[in-house]
Amino acid sequence: DAGITQSPRHKVTETGTPVTLRCHQTENHRYMYWYRQDPGHGLRLIHYSYGVKDTDKGEVSDGYSVSRSKTEDFLLTLESATSSQTSVYFCAISEGTQGIQPQHFGDGTRLSIL
Amino acid sequence: GQQLNQSPQSMFIQEGEDVSMNCTSSSIFNTWLWYKQDPGEGPVLLIALYKAGELTSNGRLTAQFGITRKDSFLNISASIPSDVGIYFCAGPLTTSGTYKYIFGTGTRLKVLA
Repeated sequence: DAGITQSPRHKVTETGTPVTLRCHQTENHRYMYWYRQDPGHGLRLIHYSYGVKDTDKGEVSDGYSVSRSKTEDFLLTLESATSSQTSVYFCAISEGTQGIQPQHFGDGTRLSIL
Repeated sequence: GQQLNQSPQSMFIQEGEDVSMNCTSSSIFNTWLWYKQDPGEGPVLLIALYKAGELTSNGRLTAQFGITRKDSFLNISASIPSDVGIYFCAGPLTTSGTYKYIFGTGTRLKVLA
């Protein structure tokens, strides 16, 4: 196990409500990533972080924000959830201090927005 | 944006058969990764490739880093029912000293016992 915990694992909420997903790692890795996975689209990068307070956008960042105030935690926030954000969300980590390193994934958060 | 094309999208095979799948990119990569995802779980890293022409095995799985650096191949020998799942390739894009990965849309493998 790569030492990644996502919470919650499942959530159902209503359109317009704020939602925050948490990714916690115990590996002290530099990089953390948030992806969404939808049928027919594979894994699409939302945002990623390459250090505390250092974040950048991925290909599907609209409607999402992130924060990383400490190495071990990376938060994904949907400010006002929409039905199009119903998806499975995966967090991944990568060591990143010795060149390009593989990513390791958490078990995902299944988010349903009604 | 940048895309990785995986082929085939899905396949049914008989238990015991060998399987081949590939991934192609419009850009050159310095690393190729192959993952497997089981239902309800996150992707699990199978093989990482770091050098053009590299051939790496992990049990019955063998992956190759294409000479052009724009493609990679994954082979599974003597498939078994637990090989069922979705296989993803991934490659890194570097930007200003940081990197992120892009993924293919996956090859769904179904094994007939």
